[in-house]
Amino acid sequence: QQKVQQSPESLTVSEGAMASLNCTFSDRSSDNFRWYRQHSGKGLEVLVSIFSDGEKEEGSFTAHLNRASLHVFLHIREPQPSDSALYLCAVSKGNMGYKLTFGTGTSLLVDP
Amino acid sequence: EAAVTQSPRNKVAVTGGKVTLSCNQTNNHNNMYWYRQDTGHGLRLIHYSYGAGSTEKGDIPDGYKASRPSQENFSLILELATPSQTSVYFCASGDGDQDTQYFGPGTRLLVL
Repeated sequence: QQKVQQSPESLTVSEGAMASLNCTFSDRSSDNFRWYRQHSGKGLEVLVSIFSDGEKEEGSFTAHLNRASLHVFLHIREPQPSDSALYLCAVSKGNMGYKLTFGTGTSLLVDP
Repeated sequence: EAAVTQSPRNKVAVTGGKVTLSCNQTNNHNNMYWYRQDTGHGLRLIHYSYGAGSTEKGDIPDGYKASRPSQENFSLILELATPSQTSVYFCASGDGDQDTQYFGPGTRLLVL
């Protein structure tokens, strides 16, 4: 069964400094990876999706996938206080792409 | 962007009572999903649907039923609510198995 773990559990960065979040998955045949953001008390907002090794950029968010090492990273360029939120990694594979397995999230605080 | 709405946003129920959570999406997506979010567990899939009239069991279906009477609406039903079902429930929709799932704002349920 797929296991998805995220680190760190919480992260504090200064406004404008790069934030890097890590997601580790267990099934190397996974091919569908998404990063979501959840502000306190709100729903999930998709940030970036990536399906093959390498990088995918969406605005200030860059996902980096390395399936050999079972890692997918999220880098946030020049974060603002409004980026303070819970960041969730979701993984799925193949024709069961609907079956997302979520990590428990990284809580990011951006200090002004 | 996908528009998914949920009602009610907050609900207090008594043990043994019946609870119905409703979800509506206006983007004509085929697939709809119900998740619950609990600290330490991330989001877990309860039920999902491929279209009107269809419901499928997710990873944690026990104690829950689902109903998809139309393309737009998907309900989650707790026939006999228990305190262990206290959680935040999210509905999502997507256009296919590989596609992004778009989430509603969530329903906070407290079972006393």
